[in-house]
Amino acid sequence: AQSVAQPEDQVNVAEGNPLTVKCTYSVSGNPYLFWYVQYPNRGLQFLLKYITGDNLVKGSYGFEAEFNKSQTSFHLKKPSALVSDSALYFCAVKDSGAGSYQLTFGKGTKLSVIP
Amino acid sequence: EAGVTQFPSHSVIEKGQTVTLRCDPISGHDNLYWYRRVMGKEIKFLLHFVKESKQDESGMPNNRFLAERTGGTYSTLKVQPAELEDSGVYFCASSQWGANEKLFFGSGTQLSVL
Repeated sequence: AQSVAQPEDQVNVAEGNPLTVKCTYSVSGNPYLFWYVQYPNRGLQFLLKYITGDNLVKGSYGFEAEFNKSQTSFHLKKPSALVSDSALYFCAVKDSGAGSYQLTFGKGTKLSVIP
Repeated sequence: EAGVTQFPSHSVIEKGQTVTLRCDPISGHDNLYWYRRVMGKEIKFLLHFVKESKQDESGMPNNRFLAERTGGTYSTLKVQPAELEDSGVYFCASSQWGANEKLFFGSGTQLSVL
């Protein structure tokens, strides 16, 4: 079985400050990890993914995430938040050894960047 | 390049009625997925098509839900009869190849069953 936890329903950060959105996961084998963002009235948009290799993954809009196998975490980070980053963020995992293509998502974290 | 499109964007129906949701994936994408998000909860997998074949339908809640993908192009998801707990946002997504690929999502259909 695979699962994802996003422990924070909401994260508030001041514009210009660094931001972190937390994600932990559980899979039987090796994980494929993803971050998606949803802006109001829009579908989910892909931000970045970890498949293998370098633990620090860089993605769209200046976001990055660090894969930590020992802590089973994949936290999303950005050095300097913008008001336009305010959105709903979803972490997702897939067991690389599983035959299914299905992603398991977390509940989502609402990010609010305050001007 | 056109993205994934879903129709309708909103649907309000009464309990017991039938609703059909449609998804047009990105052209050339063999993989098509349906997901659902019930208010405030996780986005849950419903099923996965490869071309016109159902590859994985383990997430379908019950036999009131029927998904089809005619000729490996667009897909429909029918709920018949609808129940109150079916309310939520239904997302369609597509991808071209493998399991480690990113998904392209549509804007979703907000279904409200009254």
